[in-house]
Amino acid sequence: SQQGEEDPQALSIQEGENATMNCSYKTSINNLQWYRQNSGRGLVHLILIRSNEREKHSGRLRVTLDTSKKSSSLLITASRAADTASYFCATDGDYKLSFGAGTTVTVRA
Amino acid sequence: EAGVVQSPRYKIIEKKQPVAFWCNPISGHNTLYWYRQNLGQGPELLIRYENEEAVDDSQLPKDRFSAERLKGVDSTLKIQPAELGDSAVYLCASSPRGTNEKLFFGSGTQLSVL
Repeated sequence: SQQGEEDPQALSIQEGENATMNCSYKTSINNLQWYRQNSGRGLVHLILIRSNEREKHSGRLRVTLDTSKKSSSLLITASRAADTASYFCATDGDYKLSFGAGTTVTVRA
Repeated sequence: EAGVVQSPRYKIIEKKQPVAFWCNPISGHNTLYWYRQNLGQGPELLIRYENEEAVDDSQLPKDRFSAERLKGVDSTLKIQPAELGDSAVYLCASSPRGTNEKLFFGSGTQLSVL
């Protein structure tokens, strides 16, 4: 069973635009992580936000966490063609890292 | 530094045949994971090792799946016999600490059961 649910399932944007995707989860967590997966490849860790943090930045990535709503968002600013990938949120809780079904992002040149 | 290495990259077998996947984690990483990823879905945990010990195998279908991590380094995941529903990508990941923070994934083995 998957703990997190990403929204939207798919997103198509123009190069240079921002991309925002959301993750909702069900149970309490220690931290929430975002991973990227390019087609046919393994997942790559992007960023981790702990349960006592509300916002975190890393380069063009901005992550927010609202534990009262059990939700998180990932913002990619000034998107590039290389950002085309699937993005997964993963919740760390109950000694288990559980992934959502992902958001597929397509960046058009 | 080499990443997580998995082999084979692709495997096609007929149902009821056995199959094995191999994983070499990043050197020094004590925690090793096997995940299964169905098409269009996120990875689902099968088993997690801390050194040689399987600390979470609650999601491993033990009637047909087995795993081992001898000497706390390389790991092998086996399916015997394979069923049509086992077609998926099998991902291995490792992390340096005994927590679930920042996993490093291999490229996976794509299994097709015909």
